[in-house]
Amino acid sequence: EAQVTQNPRYLITVTGKKLTVTCSQNMNHEYMSWYRQDPGLGLRQIYYSMNVEVTDKGDVPEGYKVSRKEKRNFPLILESPSPNQTSLYFCASSPLGQSNTEAFFGQGTRLTVV
Amino acid sequence: GDSVTQMEGPVTLSEEAFLTINCTYTATGYPSLFWYVQYPGEGLQLLLKATKADDKGSNKGFEATYRKETTSFHLEKGSVQVSDSAVYFCALSDRYQGAQKLVFGQGTRLTINP
Repeated sequence: EAQVTQNPRYLITVTGKKLTVTCSQNMNHEYMSWYRQDPGLGLRQIYYSMNVEVTDKGDVPEGYKVSRKEKRNFPLILESPSPNQTSLYFCASSPLGQSNTEAFFGQGTRLTVV
Repeated sequence: GDSVTQMEGPVTLSEEAFLTINCTYTATGYPSLFWYVQYPGEGLQLLLKATKADDKGSNKGFEATYRKETTSFHLEKGSVQVSDSAVYFCALSDRYQGAQKLVFGQGTRLTINP
């Protein structure tokens, strides 16, 4: 089954404690991205990657890092989380090259930073 | 930059009512347009799409027509069901540095009462 898998689904952490949210896809997609969803703001792109070792900033990258060492994995790293990073996070993947292709989303990670 | 504006929610309807969720966009190029749906506790999934002017996307009784002259992509359904309760996101996709970049509206929460 084609899917994007995120872990964990729920996470409560304290300010400043480094954390990683994992994302893995089994569709051999080149393009992967991270979004955060906040009420009234929709989804905003944090970082994206067009292939292994190729990553770039999205619209709201401050306070986040990513890596793409393997094609299937695209972890999101918060080195020093702050309360304003409390949000619902989604990983997505899609084939590269066309603007009309469907993006596949993970089930989301609800992060609370206290 | 590109942007998407959706009608404010939440929207509450009775079963079998007619649904319209308005969506307008601003884009410099010729984007593809999408409606994604998010059911409770799940990630986003593609509901329908249209890739050029006057195209109509349809799925599960929902329809939306790509109107270039009014820069709109309104979502409609003739008779809603309780199972349609979800958050609906309008989005556009344009090529950005060779990759698909999705820009989302703020989302509209729909609740259908029996």
